[in-house]
This record gives sequence, C-alpha cells and structure tokens, in this order.
Amino acid sequence: GAGVSQSPSNKVTEKGKDVELRCDPISGHTALYWYRQSLGQGLEFLIYFQGNSAPDKSGLPSDRFSAERTGGSVSTLTIQRTQQEDSAVYLCASSLQNMAGGLAKNIQYFGAGTRLSVL
Amino acid sequence: AQKITQTQPGMFVQEKEAVTLDCTYDTSDPSYGLFWYKQPSSGEMIFLIYQGSYDQQNATEGRYSLNFQKARKSANLVISASQLGDSAMYFCAMREGNTGFQKLVFGTGTRLLVSP
Repeated sequence: GAGVSQSPSNKVTEKGKDVELRCDPISGHTALYWYRQSLGQGLEFLIYFQGNSAPDKSGLPSDRFSAERTGGSVSTLTIQRTQQEDSAVYLCASSLQNMAGGLAKNIQYFGAGTRLSVL
Repeated sequence: AQKITQTQPGMFVQEKEAVTLDCTYDTSDPSYGLFWYKQPSSGEMIFLIYQGSYDQQNATEGRYSLNFQKARKSANLVISASQLGDSAMYFCAMREGNTGFQKLVFGTGTRLLVSP
C-alpha cells in the first residue's frame, strides 16, 4: 500500500511569509506525528495527533507553529511569519496500535519530508 | 540529560563485512521501545528494527540484528554482509511508556560508508 505522503517536497519562502506543509498518513493509521530535522538540532518532535486531537504538542517551538488534522487523516502544519531559523526538513510519520511482547510496538513510518528554506 | 547517545559520527566498512553501530540510552521507565532507522541521501527515514524492553531475545530482521544489553542500557545495531546500498545515516531512537503513542527521541546518528 501507499506510504506516508508529504507535500510539497521542497518549499522556498521569504522571511515573514506563512507556509503550509501537508501530510497524508498511511491509510488506517490512527496516530500522526510531526518532527523537524535541522543541522544544529538533529531530529526534534513537534506534535502528535491521535485521531483529530493533539494530546502532545509540547515540541512546537513557538506560537507561530500550529497543526491540525481533519477526518482522522490528512494533517497540515502551518508556520506563520517564517524566520530563517525555521529552515529545516519537516518529517511526518504515522503509526497503528500494535502490541508485541506486552508492549505497544507502534512502529512509526515516515514520509520523505518537506525541505523548507526561508530566505 | 541525553536520552539516546550515538558516539560514532562516522563508520567505514568494506562490502560483505559486518559492522556494529553503537547506541546507549537512558531511562527510568521499565516500559520502553528501541528503534533503528536508516536515512539515505534521499531523506526518507526507513524503519529497520524494533526491540521492546520486555523482549527476552535480541531482535533480528534479515541482515539486521539488535544486540540488546539491558543492564548496560545499550542497543547496538549489527549489519551483516554489508552492501553498497547500506551507505546512509543510521538513527537510534527510543519511546518511553507503554501507550505506544509517545514521541520518539532520536540520537544524533551515525553515517555509515560502505566501500567496494
């Protein structure tokens, strides 16, 4: 089946503009995660959704960042008034509840990411 | 405190040889999962192997195996019979707790280069 799909694959924007990044998870996956990968900070968690609600948004770096998920499927990460430090690869992952050995295994499967460059 | 430590920024191996990528972790939660991902130059994170904290045996997936030493809090990835296509960044990650929906915490990665 289809994997996690992210669009656009590349986005170049000017400082101060708003951007929207889209993630289409694997069909049937109930959980969706956003991460950011940058040279200085490595891979950082941003937010996760269980269905349409976001129980953990602790990784969002500022109130310029927001995300929503509709219909338990597609998610959009919005960055308002972009800054140069927002330049990074934004990765989306999805997972399904799956128990193994008494633990929730819940492998997270990732998309190819959106490379955001803020000029 | 660093939760996941990968001390090898880069590793070199010859084709067909085995290589071990190191990972140590820190947690006080008895329930956790350990994951290895491969990130080729294309950028996609590819899941390789999983080890649960209660698993009695080391995980294996084809040419990948995980050397899980719980008392030492290490979860090293062993790649047997390396191939040129194994050249990539490799990330160790941990998820604490048992609901299954917590975030992954990643190490800084190890870049593996496989030479002919």
